[in-house]
Amino acid sequence: LAKITQPISMDSYEGQEVNITCSHNNIATNDYITWYQQFPSQGPRFIIQGYKTKVTNEVASLFIPADRKSSTLSLPRVSLSDTAVYYCLVAGGSQGNLIFGKGTKLSVKP
Amino acid sequence: NAGVTQTPKFQVLKTGQSMTLQCAQDMNHNSMYWYRQDPGMGLRLIYYSASEGTTDKGEVPNGYNVSRLNKREFSLRLESAAPSQTSVYFCASSSGTGFNEKLFFGSGTQLSVL
Repeated sequence: LAKITQPISMDSYEGQEVNITCSHNNIATNDYITWYQQFPSQGPRFIIQGYKTKVTNEVASLFIPADRKSSTLSLPRVSLSDTAVYYCLVAGGSQGNLIFGKGTKLSVKP
Repeated sequence: NAGVTQTPKFQVLKTGQSMTLQCAQDMNHNSMYWYRQDPGMGLRLIYYSASEGTTDKGEVPNGYNVSRLNKREFSLRLESAAPSQTSVYFCASSSGTGFNEKLFFGSGTQLSVL
């Protein structure tokens, strides 16, 4: 199983770009990298997923280097409503491998 | 579409009591999961059901049992609750295709064991 490390917390200001990096040194060939966002009193919700290189959707971008041992979630021009906990998940091939990192608490200030 | 529905939303138990947390999904997903979330520990997998008729242990199965009642429903049972089981419990589901699973979560059950 991939060992996942991500920062415990980050602070930012409105309008800035935020990059959250997840380390997963022993990622397996079949593993995908997925990021989830969680607001207080809610369940996590899917943000973005990738396997290699770069993936972009309407919410975020995900950068994955060639060795795939880390990944960076990029949130462009954050707002107060982006204050949440962001979880990195590295898994593939088995539902038993869907194990999360401990999450990064992002605080966006005005 | 309700997605993933969990009941109850809140529950207080005394040590030694038993209870069952209910979860149902309406997305025709094959796989279902139970996680617990504790401060500083993130989300930890308790049990999962890869498909109807199968269940398997996750990271922290001790003190819990599960039942995959049918394709829609997956319940989590605490036979003799302990204070260490005070937590927020999340049920999730996914299509079950394996390699690029996307999880859909319920809104959680906040459980306190006194």
